[in-house]
Amino acid sequence: EVQLVESGGGVVQPGQSLRLSCTTSGFIFDDYAMHWVRQAPGGGLEWVSGISWNSGSIAYAGSVKGRFTISRDNAKSSLFLQMDSVRAEDMALYYCGKAYCNGGNCYIEYWGQGTLVTVSS
Amino acid sequence: DIQMTQSPSSVSASVGDRVTISCRATQGIGSRLAWYQQKPGKAPKVLIYGASNLQSGVPLRFSGSGSGTDFTLTINSLQPEDFATYYCQQADTFPPRLSFGGGTKVEIK
Repeated sequence: EVQLVESGGGVVQPGQSLRLSCTTSGFIFDDYAMHWVRQAPGGGLEWVSGISWNSGSIAYAGSVKGRFTISRDNAKSSLFLQMDSVRAEDMALYYCGKAYCNGGNCYIEYWGQGTLVTVSS
Repeated sequence: DIQMTQSPSSVSASVGDRVTISCRATQGIGSRLAWYQQKPGKAPKVLIYGASNLQSGVPLRFSGSGSGTDFTLTINSLQPEDFATYYCQQADTFPPRLSFGGGTKVEIK
């Protein structure tokens, strides 16, 4: 059974840092790209960042570029998101997702349950 | 970057109705489009990938069509469990980048 479990969310002050983790099981982690997607309270889905299977290709949404860093540890089947200089608008439920790509068609096949980041002074 | 626009943002419908949701990309994306369903308090679930391919286990009343810049999700004979929010998503493989539409909430009439 594929499982993705996010952790590391919590209350953070504006300007501070937070590190999210996503621990996975049930699939060969280093075969797949992974993504972080967030959802503000009452809002829609917003893609945050993606990383290829070998960390050789990484992308960020413009809203987080230069502040967030995605990484992965294939030996530990884990995905991370380092969030620096956090802003009020970063407050959201953060999901990690396992990508599935077939002939250029990519989508998130499995999602975690999310970890909540609250920004408050 | 490619932007995705969905319409309408919400729709009221009754059980048994047909519902159509549109998604438009700012530039051609071939068939690289997926549709998700999200219910309150739950993670999204993929319904359609490659614009028209039904994900395993998804009921046949869901269908997707379109290519290039214009896409449609159709729900035939709406069921009580279909009341949810639906999102379209396009993807680039390298770099691994996704873009979601703003969502369409299907509400009970």
